[in-house]
Amino acid sequence: ILNVEQSPQSLHVQEGDSTNFTCSFPSSNFYALHWYRWETAKSPEALFVMTLNGDEKKKGRISATLNTKEGYSYLYIKGSQPEDSATYLCAPRAAGNKLTFGGGTRVLVKP
Amino acid sequence: NAGVTQTPKFQVLKTGQSMTLQCAQDMNHNSMYWYRQDPGMGLRLIYYSASEGTTDKGEVPNGYNVSRLNKREFSLRLESAAPSQTSVYFCASSYETGLSNEQFFGPGTRLTVL
Repeated sequence: ILNVEQSPQSLHVQEGDSTNFTCSFPSSNFYALHWYRWETAKSPEALFVMTLNGDEKKKGRISATLNTKEGYSYLYIKGSQPEDSATYLCAPRAAGNKLTFGGGTRVLVKP
Repeated sequence: NAGVTQTPKFQVLKTGQSMTLQCAQDMNHNSMYWYRQDPGMGLRLIYYSASEGTTDKGEVPNGYNVSRLNKREFSLRLESAAPSQTSVYFCASSYETGLSNEQFFGPGTRLTVL
């Protein structure tokens, strides 16, 4: 069982502000890192899958970076909007198909 | 395409009762998974099936059994429900191979055990 930590657990952001949060995972036996977005009362939806050290992915105002050597990933939200309110989950994958999910960062964007 | 479907959406059981949660996917995925979600604990893997005919334990398998009925369907059974199994259960599926291996989730089943 991988030890996956996400910080902070929750954060409040004013609409229009930018924010970022962290996912930490064991750097050994790394294969890929998944980010999911999970809105209340819905199912988790995939945002990014990242595999290479230094990878950067972007989808609209959301982007992510990956450091596999030190075992962390940052997710950034630029110019937060109320529709960005959700829980963001990271999940590293070692060899095989299993993901180990972190506890998530719950983001609330205030109008 | 319906994606991943789960039944029922809600269920209330008494301690000791049994039930089966159903999951089906129409994306021709090889791998399927069952997770439970508890407050403050993220998603924890109960069982998974890498391909039709195979199943393996995840992080929290005790008190559960699974059946990979065919490529489309993967069911989760609680033989004797306990209050500790009160949770939201998610089924997911993915392609077996490839770097992406993105998992697609069903809508969840909210289970309460009294």
